[in-house]
Amino acid sequence: GDSVTQMEGPVTLSEEAFLTINCTYTATGYPSLFWYVQYPGEGLQLLLKATKADDKGSNKGFEATYRKETTSFHLEKGSVQVSDSAVYFCALLTGTASKLTFGTGTRLQVTL
Amino acid sequence: EAGVAQSPRYKIIEKRQSVAFWCNPISGHATLYWYQQILGQGPKLLIQFQNNGVVDDSQLPKDRFSAERLKGVDSTLKIQPAKLEDSAVYLCASSQGQGRETQYFGPGTRLLVL
Repeated sequence: GDSVTQMEGPVTLSEEAFLTINCTYTATGYPSLFWYVQYPGEGLQLLLKATKADDKGSNKGFEATYRKETTSFHLEKGSVQVSDSAVYFCALLTGTASKLTFGTGTRLQVTL
Repeated sequence: EAGVAQSPRYKIIEKRQSVAFWCNPISGHATLYWYQQILGQGPKLLIQFQNNGVVDDSQLPKDRFSAERLKGVDSTLKIQPAKLEDSAVYLCASSQGQGRETQYFGPGTRLLVL
């Protein structure tokens, strides 16, 4: 079945450091890929998405490129801020099904 | 545009009691989802509605969980009787249609079963 594997956290970075959160997937067909962010005490917010191979999703300085050859969708940001501290979830959606399959989440903590 | 609304935000009950959660999706969104998020895990789909019909409830524990969306707008998720392992955040999401439509999530209801 479909699955998403994310790097385990927590990831602790100093402000202005470079961020990479790895995400790889297994899916039948050609999935759409998503990154969601969950701030403390809040629900999930869509951060970015990509719907086909080589697409790059971007938002708020975050980027991720859909790599079909490596089945990956790594999240990157050039300079993190304290306000980026949250849990980040990679997810996929395949075919006509509407069921999102999520990874286990990666907690990011950014310190001054 | 108003987002997905959920209530209550927090609920504490004892095992074997019943509890209900309410969700109001984004206006005009035909598809509504309930997810369960256990601490340290990603959300897992419990049930999906298209208008007022059930599309997928394959992972809903039907002996204790029930959900309805009577007029194709608001939805209620009920647990009766609750077990300790039901402690989780219950997330409601909505999308305009099915398939690869983006899903928008509410703030969730955090349930603690003692």
